[in-house]
Amino acid sequence: SYELTQPPSVSVSPGQTARITCSGDALPKQYAYWYQQKPGQAPVLVIYKDSERPSGIPERFSGSSSGTTVTLTISGVQAEDEADYYCQSADSSGTHVVFGGGTKLTVL
Amino acid sequence: QVQLQESGPGLVKPSETLSLTCAVSGYSISSGYYWGWIRQPPGKGLEWIGSIYHSGSTYYNPSLKSRVTISVDTSKNQFSLKLSSVTAADTAVYYCARVLASDWYFDLWGRGTLVTVSS
Repeated sequence: SYELTQPPSVSVSPGQTARITCSGDALPKQYAYWYQQKPGQAPVLVIYKDSERPSGIPERFSGSSSGTTVTLTISGVQAEDEADYYCQSADSSGTHVVFGGGTKLTVL
Repeated sequence: QVQLQESGPGLVKPSETLSLTCAVSGYSISSGYYWGWIRQPPGKGLEWIGSIYHSGSTYYNPSLKSRVTISVDTSKNQFSLKLSSVTAADTAVYYCARVLASDWYFDLWGRGTLVTVSS
């Protein structure tokens, strides 16, 4: 079955830049999406179609894509950005949704 | 604004069928979009269960397909999940969400409901 691979954890100091990667063989053909999830809350979409930002999401959140890897970048990280982040895409058929395993972002 | 609310039993016995409903307010299901279910075991990641269109067209996670049925009731503006033959491994927070069918992502989520499988 198709898988998306994320690092389990990323740590960064306030004000620095955090980069979270997600790898998958179908990513050159399928868009990637990113969700932020804080403890006890439902996920929130922060990036769609690789690099688009929904309304209401701060400009410090951005996304990029290169080959089989997509990257979520958080510039000028703030304490409130500490959360779990999940990438999501579809398999090569385009009809089955897949989530990455999630990355815990710790703000030191 | 559009809101989704999950409801159903919080405790299900092993081997029985888990049944949940997602009520949609502020938007008519018949107007479009797919609608989906996602679950998250305690302390673990997200797992897509399946998605349904208002016409009844469905897509399921291959790993759960043999046990899952998702249906829609446009008259009540809600959609439902049934998961049969549950085990402790099905204990999770279950979320319903709105799906952008052109790109298969979830732009709006319910708050989630915890379902525990235990005798």
